Amino acid sequence: SQTIHQWPATLVQPVGSPLSLECTVEGTSNPNLYWYRQAAGRGLQLLFYSVGIGQISSEVPQNLSASRPQDRQFILSSKKLLLSDSGFYLCACGTVSTGANVLTFGAGSRLTVL
Amino acid sequence: AQKITQTQPGMFVQEKEAVTLDCTYDTSDQSYGLFWYKQPSSGEMIFLIYQGSYDEQNATEGRYSLNFQKARKSANLVISASQLGDSAMYFCAMREGISYNTDKLIFGTGTRLQVFP
Repeated sequence: SQTIHQWPATLVQPVGSPLSLECTVEGTSNPNLYWYRQAAGRGLQLLFYSVGIGQISSEVPQNLSASRPQDRQFILSSKKLLLSDSGFYLCACGTVSTGANVLTFGAGSRLTVL
Repeated sequence: AQKITQTQPGMFVQEKEAVTLDCTYDTSDQSYGLFWYKQPSSGEMIFLIYQGSYDEQNATEGRYSLNFQKARKSANLVISASQLGDSAMYFCAMREGISYNTDKLIFGTGTRLQVFP
């Protein structure tokens, strides 16, 4: 089974500063990768997904971008953070298989923008 | 457009009792999948149970069962014999289609379950 590593676990950044959250996956190859954001007390909103290296699809227009430089690496970035970027960011991995394609999530990165 | 609705922001249940968490969905697809995830206070998302739209029987996984009523577009989670460790946020989610090219999910807003002794 796959394991997802996310870092940093917690981050406090000032408004206008850059951001880089990293996600790496072990135990699978050619996975579909996802970035979700969870605002305080809310559900999960899909931000980006990727079906392969260099292939990024954005679900909502925003201040963030994503990149997939390697098969099992997914990076979430921003050049200038906004207060509204605060939240809990979860990386997820899905694999192509028969039956249910279950998303496996990382432990998350909690971002506070001040 | 697909949508997941969880109308219970919070639920309380006594230990060892059963509890039902509600979920309704909206989709125009004939093929879809429904999921329930548990999120403890640590924040991780833990997969609990899956139901495919063509599955004729309700899914069960240990103490979890999914009460799937296709005509009503509901997929309620039933937790039997609640335990204190079941206290968490619970999210219903849907995947539209059975395409192998994507397995992205949309989520409801969640229900916070608190189990008391």
